[in-house]
Amino acid sequence: GQQVMQIPQYQHVQEGEDFTTYCNSSTTLSNIQWYKQRPGGHPVFLIQLVKSGEVKKQKRLTFQFGEAKKNSSLHITATQTTDVGTYFCAGPGEYGNKLVFGAGTILRVKS
Amino acid sequence: DGGITQSPKYLFRKEGQNVTLSCEQNLNHDAMYWYRQDPGQGLRLIYYSQIVNDFQKGDIAEGYSVSREKKESFPLTVTSAQKNPTAFYLCASLARLAGGPGSYNEQFFGPGTRLTVL
Repeated sequence: GQQVMQIPQYQHVQEGEDFTTYCNSSTTLSNIQWYKQRPGGHPVFLIQLVKSGEVKKQKRLTFQFGEAKKNSSLHITATQTTDVGTYFCAGPGEYGNKLVFGAGTILRVKS
Repeated sequence: DGGITQSPKYLFRKEGQNVTLSCEQNLNHDAMYWYRQDPGQGLRLIYYSQIVNDFQKGDIAEGYSVSREKKESFPLTVTSAQKNPTAFYLCASLARLAGGPGSYNEQFFGPGTRLTVL
């Protein structure tokens, strides 16, 4: 079945360092979404990418959707302690009736 | 304010008991979902419903049951058949606009219920 793989599983960075998480789908996606879950909280939608090769920015966060629409990345520039949490990517399931989530990348930031 | 509510926030259950987790949304969303999350892990889909009076099993449905009698409500019952029910349970609903390149599938999550089996 359709799979969405995400790496790395964990990342510990020093405050001010950059961070990147990568997402790869076994199938071509019509769109991809990114969510952030703070420790003890629930996932919150960050952004959706739709177009091949699309790049979107939200302040220090840069999101990319691959040309083949099978991979995506989230890059955070100069991490801050407020960036800690788990970042999930998700794409529509085979029949469009559910989202298939990656396993998530846990980000820890040392101050 | 529109959103998803889950209750209770914390729930303790004795072994052998069934418990029901509440999920209510006032977003007028057709689709609703239940996920299980274990510590440090990702989201695993338990059940989902695309429309009232219809639902489908997700990846880990064994030991769980659901109902969808109203659009706003999608309760999850954790039965005694679920061997390891201690986890964080998240309910979600999906905003779906018209299909096509502009379709928008943001999923809204409730605050979650932490279930502990004593």
